[in-house]
Amino acid sequence: DTEVTQTPKHLVMGMTNKKSLKCEQHMGHRAMYWYKQKAKKPPELMFVYSYEKLSINESVPSRFSPECPNSSLLNLHLHALQPEDSALYLCASSQGRLAGNYNEQFFGPGTRLTVL
Amino acid sequence: GDSVTQMEGPVTLSEEAFLTINCTYTATGYPSLFWYVQYPGEGLQLLLKATKADDKGSNKGFEATYRKETTSFHLEKGSVQVSDSAVYFCALKSWTGGFKTIFGAGTRLFVKA
Repeated sequence: DTEVTQTPKHLVMGMTNKKSLKCEQHMGHRAMYWYKQKAKKPPELMFVYSYEKLSINESVPSRFSPECPNSSLLNLHLHALQPEDSALYLCASSQGRLAGNYNEQFFGPGTRLTVL
Repeated sequence: GDSVTQMEGPVTLSEEAFLTINCTYTATGYPSLFWYVQYPGEGLQLLLKATKADDKGSNKGFEATYRKETTSFHLEKGSVQVSDSAVYFCALKSWTGGFKTIFGAGTRLFVKA
């Protein structure tokens, strides 16, 4: 299984809502990532989890809260978002640091988020 | 810091034309280099990679050679198809960058039948 799955595929939420994005992989990867991608732009790194611990937070606003319950799952909890947070949210995974910097990332299909 | 520069698009080609998308990089040490492709409405997929100088990555008719002397990793394909229409991202990873993948801005390719 070389797939990263993400749910939901589409999400529309108001600025006062609380919602969560979910990501799952069963490749035994120990690094998992959240990216935000705006139209016609490359992905922007938000968070990296390495061995279920938060390794990198790219100064993301606290209205985005990541969680890694186990080595296969990654969540992104959303609260009090702004319309400018509307974007494609991509999850990715890769082998952990011990495998070196040669390892590519495997991306999920993304969640298209619209904040009204 | 590390960076990747790609040729600006969009690139529009007719089917069976030759494709080149230029990519140059700036990095300390010896980065690994990647090309990712994003089809409409999808996430990114690895197209090919090269991990050391003079390595050639290849996949689905696409090729790119890691040129350390020119700090380049240009993507080529001899005969494009309509199904190759997508956005192509050049990217690098280096030890100094830890887990971070540095992406280029992306080049959109349109192939006409």
